[in-house]
Amino acid sequence: GAGVSQSPSNKVTEKGKDVELRCDPISGHTALYWYRQSLGQGLEFLIYFQGNSAPDKSGLPSDRFSAERTGGSVSTLTIQRTQQEDSAVYLCASSPNRGDQYFGPGTRLLVL
Amino acid sequence: DAKTTQPPSMDCAEGRAANLPCNHSTISGNEYVYWYRQIHSQGPQYIIHGLKNNETNEMASLIITEDRKSSTLILPHATLRDTAVYYCIVRPPNRDDKIIFGKGTRLHILP
Repeated sequence: GAGVSQSPSNKVTEKGKDVELRCDPISGHTALYWYRQSLGQGLEFLIYFQGNSAPDKSGLPSDRFSAERTGGSVSTLTIQRTQQEDSAVYLCASSPNRGDQYFGPGTRLLVL
Repeated sequence: DAKTTQPPSMDCAEGRAANLPCNHSTISGNEYVYWYRQIHSQGPQYIIHGLKNNETNEMASLIITEDRKSSTLILPHATLRDTAVYYCIVRPPNRDDKIIFGKGTRLHILP
């Protein structure tokens, strides 16, 4: 069946521009997560949505980062006024509430 | 902070069993041990998890010591496609909470 999909797969932007990254989770999964992975680094948690509960935003690195999840399905991660240190692979995952998370292929963001 | 300690890298000959160790000496009684792997340029992939009993599935086996302070992931017949970074993760009872990834073990399968 279809897995987690993310778009775009690659994004190049100029410093100071805003970007939006999209995640389509697996149908029926109530939990959705965003992580990022900088070059050569491990995965860093950003934000977590579970059903209709308030999201866990504890991993967002600054107020330039925000995310929303509409209708309990698709999610958008927005980075405002991008900086070069925002360059990374942004990974989305979803979970069917049994503990394992299914990851998408990621969006590779490069800020020039 | 990640609550696990793993060797940064390991080598294993193709066709042999790969045994990846993980120390989690501060694990709580109700925390699970999860293993994920990340093949180059892909998102992480769930492998297996356990609480206190040994577990086996089509991908791997998980051996957890009786005191639960360490575990070993076993890939019984490693292939070149098993080359990846393997993450050992301790997760709280709310198993859908976020994952805190450590640095993992980079496993090289040698032909």
